[in-house]
Amino acid sequence: DTGVSQDPRHKITKRGQNVTFRCDPISEHNRLYWYRQTLGQGPEFLTYFQNEAQLEKSRLLSDRFSAERPKGSFSTLEIQRTEQGDSAMYLCASSLGDRGIHEQFFGPGTRLTVL
Amino acid sequence: GQQLNQSPQSMFIQEGEDVSMNCTSSSIFNTWLWYKQDPGEGPVLLIALYKAGELTSNGRLTAQFGITRKDSFLNISASIPSDVGIYFCAGHWYDMRFGAGTRLTVKP
Repeated sequence: DTGVSQDPRHKITKRGQNVTFRCDPISEHNRLYWYRQTLGQGPEFLTYFQNEAQLEKSRLLSDRFSAERPKGSFSTLEIQRTEQGDSAMYLCASSLGDRGIHEQFFGPGTRLTVL
Repeated sequence: GQQLNQSPQSMFIQEGEDVSMNCTSSSIFNTWLWYKQDPGEGPVLLIALYKAGELTSNGRLTAQFGITRKDSFLNISASIPSDVGIYFCAGHWYDMRFGAGTRLTVKP
């Protein structure tokens, strides 16, 4: 399977704990995106990378959130001191990054539940 | 927050019927995309549109990029039970914005 993969698929944690999610994009894709999706809503943009450079961050991405893509391949999203409001589906997507091509392909998501 | 208005919010139709949903925005976009999402899964890309006025088909699905660049619609013809899911429109300018989705239920 050469699609976008995410790990873990589900994570249950207690408030105040730190969590880290991983995303492996489609191998030839330069751009990688993180989104958050809550029930009844569409995905909301968090941040994106062009290769290893983090080019944009949404205001939704508080100081407790950090994302990395150290070698321009896989990416991690860490949430520190989780809060109940962080409970959501965290989606990763990747795209070729070619100029004018904006088709993003999504992974299956990581569903986070903060107790 | 969301800048796209997607309607209807939900649809209940009989198998074999045609479906139409649309998305409007106060802003222009250079790309419109339509995705389908099943419960517990990520969105799957159905159709991408790049030019105002463009009409594109993918099997029983047809989508159009509005002339004003502020709207798009998706039609599904002859619906089948596996069409059930949530359909999202997305518009791209500097970043991607998603609608809140149209939940489609198909009765056999």
